[in-house]
Amino acid sequence: DGGITQSPKYLFRKEGQNVTLSCEQNLNHDAMYWYRQDPGQGLRLIYYSQIVNDFQKGDIAEGYSVSREKKESFPLTVTSAQKNPTAFYLCASNDAGGIGSPLHFGNGTRLTVT
Amino acid sequence: KNEVEQSPQNLTAQEGEFITINCSYSVGISALHWLQQHPGGGIVSLFMLSSGKKKHGRLIATINIQEKHSSLHITASHPRDSAVYICAVPGSQGNLIFGKGTKLSVKP
Repeated sequence: DGGITQSPKYLFRKEGQNVTLSCEQNLNHDAMYWYRQDPGQGLRLIYYSQIVNDFQKGDIAEGYSVSREKKESFPLTVTSAQKNPTAFYLCASNDAGGIGSPLHFGNGTRLTVT
Repeated sequence: KNEVEQSPQNLTAQEGEFITINCSYSVGISALHWLQQHPGGGIVSLFMLSSGKKKHGRLIATINIQEKHSSLHITASHPRDSAVYICAVPGSQGNLIFGKGTKLSVKP
């Protein structure tokens, strides 16, 4: 079955460490997205990629980095520069054309930094 | 920038009740999305609509483009409908702007 796989489901890190969240899709989608969700807030866009080897910053990109070396994979690195990294992170994808087609989401990674 | 407001924030219903969740936005759009977030965190796309009404099982989504308003209805609600329902509209960067969600709890 096609879908998006995020791993791990829960991640714990010490402050000052970089951490990479995995996102893999087998839907053959061109576009992939990373969102952050905090309690009481709507999803906020961190980075998105419309095509391999290209990506753009979203609304809250500071302290994060991404790569898109393969169509199937869009890993997100939370760097030590991110001031409040503890959050729920969701990866999504859809066909090229961005907002004109439904988003498919992974099950998310809950990151806790202490 | 498009702003999205959902109401109510929280909703508790008895099994079998008819449910309505509302979404208003500030800037004209081409399409609006309704999403469902399960208690475990996973999100499923329910509807994408640009006019009129769409129905899928017990779920009905309507949109009034002139009034910049959409509603999600659930008929004969069931405890398994308990989730957070989120509406989203296009932003200026080619991405979606999400509402804060409506947390629905359906009691047996």
